Amino acid sequence: DTGVSQDPRHKITKRGQNVTFRCDPISEHNRLYWYRQTLGQGPEFLTYFQNEAQLEKSRLLSDRFSAERPKGSFSTLEIQRTEQGDSAMYLCASSFGTNSPLHFGNGTRLTVT
Amino acid sequence: SQQGEEDPQALSIQEGENATMNCSYKTSINNLQWYRQNSGRGLVHLILIRSNEREKHSGRLRVTLDTSKKSSSLLITASRAADTASYFCATAPSGGGADGLTFGKGTHLIIQP
Repeated sequence: DTGVSQDPRHKITKRGQNVTFRCDPISEHNRLYWYRQTLGQGPEFLTYFQNEAQLEKSRLLSDRFSAERPKGSFSTLEIQRTEQGDSAMYLCASSFGTNSPLHFGNGTRLTVT
Repeated sequence: SQQGEEDPQALSIQEGENATMNCSYKTSINNLQWYRQNSGRGLVHLILIRSNEREKHSGRLRVTLDTSKKSSSLLITASRAADTASYFCATAPSGGGADGLTFGKGTHLIIQP
């Protein structure tokens, strides 16, 4: 399967700890997106990369959040000093070009206790 | 923030019946897309309709777009139990916005066998 993969699938952490998630997009896709989804809601945009450049960050992305995409391949999303409000599903998606359908991974479910 | 608003929030029908979901949005768009999400999984792209198109078909799916009313509908004909999922509309802003897609809150569809 050459779809978008995310690791880990689940993460339970204590408040105040740092966590890092990884996303491996479809190899020929140049765009990579991070979304956050809470129960009963649609995905909310966090940030996106075109190749290795981070081109846009949502207001939702506080300074505790940082994302990287070294060499334009996989991406990591780090949350520092986690808070209970960070509990959510973090979804990664990739696409090729502008205004193209997104291909989503199955997400990382974060629970902050 | 979420631009799209799906209606209804939840829909329960008998297998074999048709399911119709509606989506309204607020700003000018380049295209509108529909996605399906099974519980605990990532989103799967269903269909994309561009702003200059009025109707599009894909298998048992039919999507309409009315840009004057800023609304779209998704019709699933001859529903099956496997269609049980949440369905989201997502808009891509006109002008090549860098924010990625903006998703609504979704319609939760249950197909009763």
